[in-house]
Amino acid sequence: GAVVSQHPSRVICKSGTSVKIECRSLDFQATTMFWYRQFPKKSLMLMATSNEGSKATYEQGVEKDKFLINHASLTLSTLTVTSAHPEDSSFYICSASYPGGPGELFFGEGSRLTVL
Amino acid sequence: LAKTTQPISMDSYEGQEVNITCSHNNIATNDYITWYQQFPSQGPRFIIQGYKTKVTNEVASLFIPADRKSSTLSLPRVSLSDTAVYYCLVGDGVSGGYNKLIFGAGTRLAVHP
Repeated sequence: GAVVSQHPSRVICKSGTSVKIECRSLDFQATTMFWYRQFPKKSLMLMATSNEGSKATYEQGVEKDKFLINHASLTLSTLTVTSAHPEDSSFYICSASYPGGPGELFFGEGSRLTVL
Repeated sequence: LAKTTQPISMDSYEGQEVNITCSHNNIATNDYITWYQQFPSQGPRFIIQGYKTKVTNEVASLFIPADRKSSTLSLPRVSLSDTAVYYCLVGDGVSGGYNKLIFGAGTRLAVHP
């Protein structure tokens, strides 16, 4: 099946710094990618829809200035957590829809962010 | 977006068949039903997808009744490695090449020796 890759898989940073997470579709072009966050033993929460060449669409309650999303190419979307704080520590997961399929999403491996 | 309801948890034993039922009473005409599996600290993995009747692949079967208000994921002869969280999602078909899916709580399946 199609492959979506995230990097880094784990990152630890100090409070106040910014962290960038990359999401790549390795063998297909994804005009749209999705970003989720997941807390321990909880379900995935959709944060935003990333559209290639345009602004991301954020879900209600998600701070646009805190979570910057850029989808500069058909194979790469990035999530930047700006001025990270300990409460931003979470598991971030991206996904991309394989074009032409009836909605099958392929997910990245996830990126675990720990803010000290 | 159609909301889904699943049992919070299930227990089974190795070699048994496991059936997880999902309710989606407000499913729309264009919605497909998709099931994902997630292991701790990993992204969800696609299991199976269907629109109506029965779908079978190498790992599972998906049964969808005529009214499509529910669906049942069937895992034949589970093993310990099938211990995971299973999510049922519904979403509309191809629309601009993407499908926005909202995750419910999922079903935490524990397979015991």
